Amino acid sequence: GAGVSQTPSNKVTEKGKYVELRCDPISGHTALYWYRQSLGQGPEFLIYFQGTGAADDSGLPNDRFFAVRPEGSVSTLKIQRTERGDSAVYLCASSPAGLAGKGTGELFFGEGSRLTVL
Amino acid sequence: AQSVSQHNHHVILSEAASLELGCNYSYGGTVNLFWYVQYPGQHLQLLLKYFSGDPLVKGIKGFEAEFIKSKFSFNLRKPSVQWSDTAEYFCAVNAGNTDKLIFGTGTRLQVFP
Repeated sequence: GAGVSQTPSNKVTEKGKYVELRCDPISGHTALYWYRQSLGQGPEFLIYFQGTGAADDSGLPNDRFFAVRPEGSVSTLKIQRTERGDSAVYLCASSPAGLAGKGTGELFFGEGSRLTVL
Repeated sequence: AQSVSQHNHHVILSEAASLELGCNYSYGGTVNLFWYVQYPGQHLQLLLKYFSGDPLVKGIKGFEAEFIKSKFSFNLRKPSVQWSDTAEYFCAVNAGNTDKLIFGTGTRLQVFP
């Protein structure tokens, strides 16, 4: 597809369960970002990948959150032992080369995965 | 640490009214500044950006923003809003040599015909 694709669009789970959220970036984009957006808030940075490596994971709230991008394209955000406070829309964005240096400065966002933890 | 403040949480206007949304950031070094927009039911998309040069930048759909370094501000303006401008607007800042984009809490704009 032409844009960033995120699946599932909606996920309802029970407290304590494990969840995986997938992001398929725009083809050729080396930079990939995960953000979390709670109701009434702006997107909150979680992690940034440049290629296969996590260049900045300073936004991950705790060790229950983990993300991978094994082949430098698709990324998966993994949340263990989910808590009610994890309920939010998880946004993925990609960029041709990131924001620093020669980046275009634009992040292309997907529509998000809405996670509800009961 | 970088942070972004958007003081207007909810703005209600009639069509043809002028718009100004405030954005202030805290970071002492070189910054890149952005406004993103999220129309109802759609994903976030870039409205305009400032990297360097002319501090008055123009974006899509008649929007513009002015970077005032001394005030750490990057306010968004539009002389005459339309009903189709109803959306949520997010200001964002990126410190010059990093790849992290920090967003404000957003301003919800409602425009009535």
